[in-house]
Amino acid sequence: EVKLVESGGGLVQPGGSLRLSCAASGFSFSSYWMHWVRQVPGKGLVWVSRITSDGSNTRYADSVKGRFTISRDNAKNTLDLQMNSLRDEDTAVFYCARGGSGGYYFDNWGQGTLVTVSS
Amino acid sequence: SYELTQPPSVSVSPGQTASITCSGSKLGDRFACWYQQKPGQSPVLVIYQDTKRPSGIPERFSGSNSGNTATLTISGTQAMDEADYYCQAWDSSTAYVFGTGTKVTVL
Repeated sequence: EVKLVESGGGLVQPGGSLRLSCAASGFSFSSYWMHWVRQVPGKGLVWVSRITSDGSNTRYADSVKGRFTISRDNAKNTLDLQMNSLRDEDTAVFYCARGGSGGYYFDNWGQGTLVTVSS
Repeated sequence: SYELTQPPSVSVSPGQTASITCSGSKLGDRFACWYQQKPGQSPVLVIYQDTKRPSGIPERFSGSNSGNTATLTISGTQAMDEADYYCQAWDSSTAYVFGTGTKVTVL
């Protein structure tokens, strides 16, 4: 069974930093692209970032470029998102998601972790 | 930037067919997929690559994509299908784009 478990969310002040982690199990982690997707409570889904299976290539949404950094450790089966210079508008539930094989979709999602940016 | 537009809400009677549309420029030229999200839960993939159903998704869920519109159809809708539904596609400039979301109500 594919399992993705996010952690690291919480309350942070504007301008602060937070590091999210996603622990993966039940599949060959090193074979899959991985993503972060966020959702403001009550609003829609927004893609944040993705990393290729070997970690050699990353891509970011314009709204987080230069502030967020995605990384992975294939030996530990973990995916991270380092978030710096956080803004009020970054408040959201952050989901870790596995990229679907051969296509640009997300075939498994974690339960999400809530990030609240507020003074 | 690329955008996908969905109707905010769709209502359907139990046992009837619900159709949810997703509109985007030349959407039919790229693959579309659909996610179901129930309150307080994570999204679940129900259709990928326009028409394919992941393992475990009931046959009453089907998809199509042509021209500027992708459609998710739920045949014989059940109360358990009440949820928010999001389409999604990939664009070379915008990357992964989600639709605006549709709330399906089973009356």
